[in-house]
Amino acid sequence: DTAVSQTPKYLVTQMGNDKSIKCEQNLGHDTMYWYKQDSKKFLKIMFSYNNKELIINETVPNRFSPKSPDKAHLNLHINSLELGDSAVYFCASSQAAREQFFGPGTRLTVL
Amino acid sequence: GQSLEQPSEVTAVEGAIVQINCTYQTSGFYGLSWYQQHDGGAPTFLSYNALDGLEETGRFSSFLSRSDSYGYLLLQELQMKDSASYFCAVLSGNTPLVFGKGTRLSVIA
Repeated sequence: DTAVSQTPKYLVTQMGNDKSIKCEQNLGHDTMYWYKQDSKKFLKIMFSYNNKELIINETVPNRFSPKSPDKAHLNLHINSLELGDSAVYFCASSQAAREQFFGPGTRLTVL
Repeated sequence: GQSLEQPSEVTAVEGAIVQINCTYQTSGFYGLSWYQQHDGGAPTFLSYNALDGLEETGRFSSFLSRSDSYGYLLLQELQMKDSASYFCAVLSGNTPLVFGKGTRLSVIA
């Protein structure tokens, strides 16, 4: 049973398009996150939700909009995709922030 | 702000011991976590230190010195499968977790 799942695993799209990535966790955790990992493997938090409420919103362009319909789901919608958005996006969840469980990642390539 | 420093690359021989250091600067420090990430995979949690000293989990140990703002991950009896990137991450009152840039460990025969 997958603990944190993301779809799709790969996403290839053109500049200017809008795309969404879905994330679900079945661990019963209260907090979910979105991270961006660039080509140099730098892992940077984008958003954090606790019980469906946004608690962290790092300096991210407002083209990125997270949505949490319930505490088991955290989706990421990206408008007007740019070349610089190409990266691996990881969803994670945790009950305690020190130990986070990551999904398999979504490799986004913007052409 | 917060900053973490760890070596970008380390190479070690199979069966040996390797230590990956991490120094950090932050306010409101709670603790230091370590994560492992294989190429193409997701980060996975290894350990967490909130108090000074050594925490051992099998072949992996993690150490923290709060007064020195320093920690390390110690890997013993290295195996080829330990080749991966290792990230230290600081937990503080400001943000949930801030990751270092990672250390790529290559284990050679």
